[in-house]
Amino acid sequence: DAGVTQSPTHLIKTRGQQVTLRCSPKSGHDTVSWYQQALGQGPQFIFQYYEEEERQRGNFPDRFSGHQFPNYSSELNVNALLLGDSALYLCASSTFRTGSNEKLFFGSGTQLSVL
Amino acid sequence: GNSVTQMEGPVTLSEEAFLTINCTYTATGYPSLFWYVQYPGEGLQLLLKATKADDKGSNKGFEATYRKETTSFHLEKGSVQVSDSAVYFCALSDSNYKLTFGKGTLLTVNP
Repeated sequence: DAGVTQSPTHLIKTRGQQVTLRCSPKSGHDTVSWYQQALGQGPQFIFQYYEEEERQRGNFPDRFSGHQFPNYSSELNVNALLLGDSALYLCASSTFRTGSNEKLFFGSGTQLSVL
Repeated sequence: GNSVTQMEGPVTLSEEAFLTINCTYTATGYPSLFWYVQYPGEGLQLLLKATKADDKGSNKGFEATYRKETTSFHLEKGSVQVSDSAVYFCALSDSNYKLTFGKGTLLTVNP
């Protein structure tokens, strides 16, 4: 049983560009959350998707957007990249109906570097 | 808003030493509290949790007790191993799946 898979593992972009990160949730999971982890910091919640809709959002600008597909996979899009967007982006999946954070599974992340 | 403050690292210990990583939180209501561990090149893994005051979470020899009166959730282990070397994150949640993390504490255990 594959866990949460993210692609690509590493990515280098330049300022002003746009980037798309992808996440496939663990089998049986229907909810995807995205987190940004800057170097030396803890992960920060970006948003959560369930039933193809954004359900919760953290304190991130509109340059950060997402999408969830009918197969529950998800994309994170970041427009007009800034140097400060350089970070490890983590995807976490879960089952919405369980209502418990202990069932949250994290992927290994995508390391984004903005030059 | 919610926040988590945890002990600054890095922490370097010898094998079989006692470990404490301090964590305090600020939150409205009654959050659930967690410790996550991140091994090099891997995603976050849930280490232990506690959902109400005085609960003790435990796993793999690690323990933490939810102390509402001191708003703390300190992580302890009686005898660390080299394989425990990792980054440890304290976190809280007051709603489904939205976790607030501390900055993390790097633990290195030397043989």
